[in-house]
Amino acid sequence: DTGVSQDPRHKITKRGQNVTFRCDPISEHNRLYWYRQTLGQGPEFLTYFQNEAQLEKSRLLSDRFSAERPKGSFSTLEIQRTEQGDSAMYLCASSQTGGHGYTFGSGTRLTVV
Amino acid sequence: AQRVTQPEKLLSVFKGAPVELKCNYSYSGSPELFWYVQYSRQRLQLLLRHISRESIKGFTADLNKGETSFHLKKPFAQEEDSAMYYCALSPSQGAQKLVFGQGTRLTINP
Repeated sequence: DTGVSQDPRHKITKRGQNVTFRCDPISEHNRLYWYRQTLGQGPEFLTYFQNEAQLEKSRLLSDRFSAERPKGSFSTLEIQRTEQGDSAMYLCASSQTGGHGYTFGSGTRLTVV
Repeated sequence: AQRVTQPEKLLSVFKGAPVELKCNYSYSGSPELFWYVQYSRQRLQLLLRHISRESIKGFTADLNKGETSFHLKKPFAQEEDSAMYYCALSPSQGAQKLVFGQGTRLTINP
């Protein structure tokens, strides 16, 4: 297990297209988080899962965003009808209940043109 | 509302000098506070958390509930400390969602 993996590393898409990102957490970790980071800002919380249950969603997550973690292992984040404002780094992290902080992935950089 | 403020976007000090990265928070409960660090071309990683009261890579941070601050300090900066530092708050122990500050880019000059 080499940590939290995210795929792809970079994605360039045209406005209006749909995109999907994948995150593979550390296998023993039951919690998985998605964050978004724009230039000059810290990461902003989007949503988190405990096992397969999505327990919290930020108001930042519009109806165009959906996240799943169907078997409590990997997770996908889909953005429909992308807009230029969606351009950002999308970070995934995982943790164990009662653990000591997150382990982050390298992120997926999305550019909407 | 929970908020984390890092007043300095950029901080530059000379090698061997003391360094302090400021972090202030607003939250009415008893939060858990963290410092995360991102070195060049690496992923964001946990540096330290207030509950553990550890010193990591020579850095310490003390939670001051009266001043709602969690400043990160190191007595003698090293060039390898150059990185982006983020202060973060969790509303409760057990690290569910984190609220991050904007970050401070620390540069250590030789």
